[in-house]
Amino acid sequence: KNQVEQSPQSLIILEGKNCTLQCNYTVSPFSNLRWYKQDTGRGPVSLTIMTFSENTKSNGRYTATLDADTKQSSLHITASQLSDSASYICVVTGLILTGGGNKLTFGTGTQLKVEL
Amino acid sequence: DVKVTQSSRYLVKRTGEKVFLECVQDMDHENMFWYRQDPGLGLRLIYFSYDVKMKEKGDIPEGYSVSREKKERFSLILESASTNQTSMYLCASSFKSQHEQFFGPGTRLTVL
Repeated sequence: KNQVEQSPQSLIILEGKNCTLQCNYTVSPFSNLRWYKQDTGRGPVSLTIMTFSENTKSNGRYTATLDADTKQSSLHITASQLSDSASYICVVTGLILTGGGNKLTFGTGTQLKVEL
Repeated sequence: DVKVTQSSRYLVKRTGEKVFLECVQDMDHENMFWYRQDPGLGLRLIYFSYDVKMKEKGDIPEGYSVSREKKERFSLILESASTNQTSMYLCASSFKSQHEQFFGPGTRLTVL
């Protein structure tokens, strides 16, 4: 069964500190992995996408890593800001071999709170 | 910028009522999706559509139906709302199935 597990479930850090969020998946065959940021009361917004051959990708203060061998990804946030407070969702796209197409499997998210 | 809009941000309905949730995208995307999001469960796919008048069941289609009469518009219908359908409903669209999904702001539906 395709699954995406994220840790920690929630996290509180002080403004200016760094943090790392984890994502482990069992989706196979693998197509890509995205990290989304979801502000409270809003829809998710894509931060990064990584394919099988990519190890690291950055988007400003966000850096995502992917280890396709161990099926693990991380999202590192540098110099956190109050506006980083949100839910961060890991989404893995798998290929559907019979009939073609893709299937997305969502993690339940890590709720990050950045405090003064 | 891609824009996905949903007809209501908040909605309160009574058990047994018929509920329509509308979603419109302005980027000529082929694919459109309806999800519900509940605490601890993440996003779960209800239905999706890859073309006008086409629809496919997602993981939790029971109690829902959809309509896609025009490419830019995808409607989610609750034929007879029940309290266990109280949730956040998110619409998304993408150009092709492997492309990024762009999400709307969500509709928080409460069924009393």
